[in-house]
Amino acid sequence: ETGVTQTPRHLVMGMTNKKSLKCEQHLGHNAMYWYKQSAKKPLELMFVYNFKEQTENNSVPSRFSPECPNSSHLFLHLHTLQPEDSALYLCASSHQAEPSYNEQFFGPGTRLTVL
Amino acid sequence: GNSVTQMEGPVTLSEEAFLTINCTYTATGYPSLFWYVQYPGEGLQLLLKATKADDKGSNKGFEATYRKETTSFHLEKGSVQVSDSAVYFCALNPSSSASKIIFGSGTRLSIRP
Repeated sequence: ETGVTQTPRHLVMGMTNKKSLKCEQHLGHNAMYWYKQSAKKPLELMFVYNFKEQTENNSVPSRFSPECPNSSHLFLHLHTLQPEDSALYLCASSHQAEPSYNEQFFGPGTRLTVL
Repeated sequence: GNSVTQMEGPVTLSEEAFLTINCTYTATGYPSLFWYVQYPGEGLQLLLKATKADDKGSNKGFEATYRKETTSFHLEKGSVQVSDSAVYFCALNPSSSASKIIFGSGTRLSIRP
């Protein structure tokens, strides 16, 4: 495997379910990101981890809970979601969160549908 | 504050046509500028970047020049192909923090054979 992988690629869940999204990067990076991509809205940064420490939480509701056990893996735990949380969830990684010009490498995303 | 404005789509062109997707930005300091592309069913991929004024980023026949005087980073390609059909995102990375990449809302491009 190379690059950034995400599983599952598609997920349908009810509002009372608990599920987790997984992201893994094989690039030796030490910064990882979760984004939400909704139709007709700009990409929304949700969380940033740098060297396994959370450095950014963009006012994300507590029903989304990130976990970063090591620099290669990032999870997004989901519980009691709402239908408006249906979106494409993208994971990205970069060499480090500084300096500013480092590009981010994206995974293919998980298409989440909340019924 | 920092923001990116790009032309609304969808943009539909015939194969071999000339492409321009406009992007302007507002930023404090000296940001780096990017174009990302998202093909159907995939995540975003970096297409090209420029880190300082007058730099030209280029890749796969696409070009964009960092214009500080007009705060623009327009994407151009001389002859588009059907395989260029995708959503294109202009983005900036403020110099103060790499984690805060600001993305534009995206422009969907469709190329007719």
